[in-house]
Amino acid sequence: EPEVTQTPSHQVTQMGQEVILRCVPISNHLYFYWYRQILGQKVEFLVSFYNNEISEKSEIFDDQFSVERPDGSNFTLKIRSTKLEDSAMYFCASSPGTSGYEQYFGPGTRLTVT
Amino acid sequence: GDSVTQMEGPVTLSEEAFLTINCTYTATGYPSLFWYVQYPGEGLQLLLKATKADDKGSNKGFEATYRKETTSFHLEKGSVQVSDSAVYFCALSERGGGADGLTFGKGTHLIIQP
Repeated sequence: EPEVTQTPSHQVTQMGQEVILRCVPISNHLYFYWYRQILGQKVEFLVSFYNNEISEKSEIFDDQFSVERPDGSNFTLKIRSTKLEDSAMYFCASSPGTSGYEQYFGPGTRLTVT
Repeated sequence: GDSVTQMEGPVTLSEEAFLTINCTYTATGYPSLFWYVQYPGEGLQLLLKATKADDKGSNKGFEATYRKETTSFHLEKGSVQVSDSAVYFCALSERGGGADGLTFGKGTHLIIQP
């Protein structure tokens, strides 16, 4: 069964460094998403992406964040200058874009900023 | 804004017990409602969904009915198994469209004892 994959599973970085989290959505899906979950808190929506542009973004998704689909298979989240409070689990998801728009999630990347 | 409230865990039950995990929501309009499950070390998996009032979603013995009058979407299962031990997340999509990010509850940790 097709699934969303994410790499790396765990990323450790120093404050102020740039990180890129990578995702391979399910083939033929049209919508892509990033979410984050700070330890002990809710899963929070960051951004949705369709047709090579951002569709919606939350207040969390400020100028330090960017997303890109550099080729036909990868979907990336870049954090330009990481802060301690960016430490979280980051989930990628994709949706076929058909009726119901259910979202399928990857296993997550745990980002630790030191 | 939209919000989802679900019962705090952990919820501990014996095998074959009846399960209810409460979920209520606040949203404008007519959201789509979802239950996701996260097994240890894995990503979020869609368990079931309902897109309009009085719809019943069901999967793997789990059921939830979209109750507009009580703004609820409680998850139930008649006889739980040890393998059902996981974290369960209630979520909504305000407009049900592809660009829409999901709003999640905090999750309920379910522990089933043999």
